[in-house]
Amino acid sequence: QLQLQESGPGLVKPSETLSLTCTVSGGSISSSSYYWGWIRQPPGKGLEWIGSIYYSGSTYYNPSLKNRVTISVDTSKNQFSLKLSSVTAADTTMYYCARAHTGSIFDSWGQGTLVTVSS
Amino acid sequence: EIVLTQSPGTLSLSPGERATLSCRASQSVSSSYLAWYQQRPGQAPRLLNNAASSRATGIPDRFSGSGSGTDFTLTISRLEPEDFAVYYCQYYGSSPITFGQGTRLEIK
Repeated sequence: QLQLQESGPGLVKPSETLSLTCTVSGGSISSSSYYWGWIRQPPGKGLEWIGSIYYSGSTYYNPSLKNRVTISVDTSKNQFSLKLSSVTAADTTMYYCARAHTGSIFDSWGQGTLVTVSS
Repeated sequence: EIVLTQSPGTLSLSPGERATLSCRASQSVSSSYLAWYQQRPGQAPRLLNNAASSRATGIPDRFSGSGSGTDFTLTISRLEPEDFAVYYCQYYGSSPITFGQGTRLEIK
């Protein structure tokens, strides 16, 4: 059974870079059938797609975040990662990693990790 | 960017009743790229339907999606206690992928 698990600091200082990793188990991140994505959700609010990556390293990002986002993949570790630079309090939110088939249908999700931006 | 507007914001119904949730797109879109998700409190979202009407694996047949153009609907034929949650629609036919703001389905 496929499982995704987010990991990373729960507290980041303003202006610094948020870094999260998603570890995939029970399946290969190198599958040609899937993309891998990051989605975030402020407490009590809706979902915002951040970006997605293919195992080859091909990426696409939400234009609203594109200047600050980098998503990368490490197939040897079956992981993909998110870096979000110059964070502010507005980036305080739950971050989810997910598997996407047909490029963008998120059919398997991690449990999420809450990141707070505060000094 | 396709903006999705969901209505109502909150829907109060009783178990056994029928629920109809709406998702309206800011311009005509292909139903092949419209999905629905369910999110229970404290959990990650779960895929219900994709391509507007195709149920995801393991989703009960009381959930059904329909619609075309700008208007899409998720129908839950007979509400079970576990169905009371927040529901999101998603458009993935162009970048950026967008989600509606959600409809909260609560027990009356």
